[in-house]
Order: sequence, then C-alpha cells, then structure tokens
Amino acid sequence: GESVGLHLPTLSVQEGDNSIINCAYSNSASDYFIWYKQESGKGPQFIIDIRSNMDKRQGQRVTVLLNKTVKHLSLQIAATQPGDSAVYFCAENYGGATNKLIFGTGTLLAVQP
Amino acid sequence: GAVVSQHPSWVICKSGTSVKIECRSLDFQATTMFWYRQFPKQSLMLMATSNEGSKATYEQGVEKDKFLINHASLTLSTLTVTSAHPEDSSFYICSAPPGGGLAYEQYFGPGTRLTVT
Repeated sequence: GESVGLHLPTLSVQEGDNSIINCAYSNSASDYFIWYKQESGKGPQFIIDIRSNMDKRQGQRVTVLLNKTVKHLSLQIAATQPGDSAVYFCAENYGGATNKLIFGTGTLLAVQP
Repeated sequence: GAVVSQHPSWVICKSGTSVKIECRSLDFQATTMFWYRQFPKQSLMLMATSNEGSKATYEQGVEKDKFLINHASLTLSTLTVTSAHPEDSSFYICSAPPGGGLAYEQYFGPGTRLTVT
C-alpha cells in the first residue's frame, strides 16, 4: 500500500542551530498532514499541521512546508534546543470518509549541547 | 487541551494469557478511537478503528480474533490481546479525535508497553 517515508532516519544538530526534517508522501489524495514529536516511552505529541490547500504554516519556532508537486513535507525547527531531542514523525490523513492517519518512518533528532 | 489516557502504562504477562488495555478520553467524547502498535525504533502502525456502539474496523493483516476491541461508551475503548505471544510484545497507543470521527486532529494516549514472557 501507499506509505509516507522519511529521507533521514537520524539528524544530529548543534544546540541553537536550525533543524530541517524531511518527509516524502505518496498519496496524492491526502489532504491533511501533521508533524508529531515522540519522546522515548511516550505517545506522539502534536506539533503542527497543514492542509493541502496551503504550502506553508508557522508555529512557535516551527514551520511546516508542503510541496504538493513533488509530494514533499518538511519541518523546520528554529534555534533547536536539547528539549527538542526526540523522534519526529510526519503523518498524512487520507481524508474523505476515513480519518486514518498513516505515519512515516520517523527521524531521530539528536541535539548536541 | 484534550486528554487521552491509557491503562496500564506497562504490563508483563505470560505467553498464552490475555491482557486488556484501556483507552479513555478524559475531557471529551469520542465516537471513534484508533489503536496503533509500535515496535522498537519503528513507526506507528494503525491496527484498527474503534467505533462506539458498533464493530471495530481492522486494518489488513490484523487478526480481529486476537486483538479484540470494545468501544462500549463515548469515553472508553478497550483492546484485549488474546493468547498473547512474545511477538505481541510492543508499545500500544490509542488516539481519539475530539469533535467526532471526522475531525482531523487526533490526541494520543501515553501508550502501554506490553511484554509477553
């Protein structure tokens, strides 16, 4: 079946630097995308979302970019902090009558002090 | 914000026994809840959609007779792993969309770590 994939399984950055986590999705019918943060032994935590009729959305220190032409999603974290260390997942919602979320493989972000 | 809880947070059971995991929406009603399984260093895999008052919808490859789901009220869904085996050891996570089954945003529970010995 279709799946969401990530290019970089591990990303190591210095504290204070900006982080960019990428995600490729394959279902062109997906109309809603979400980034989640998951700390070890915990459930996913919502970070930011974007609908397919947008190409950019900003939150506090985070920005999500959506490129539907190449089916690519990215999460930018500004001034990365040690507390940002976690696994980040993108998820796509197939929309329509179903509310199912399909998760990508995840990227481990390691912030070096 | 919306809160989803799970109980227990971790459980150890012997092979062949059954174990029940609860998922509760604490401050909202959820006509739909979702159950995921996550193996170490892997992504979340959707197992089934739990529907209040009706049968659950299982994803392809998930044994409905092994993973029993009951959504008896608007705030509680349970997942029972029957005749558990060591390969069922995993992190089980539930989620629920506040505002109804078609709401896009889902809130996740803290997960339940199941270890089958």
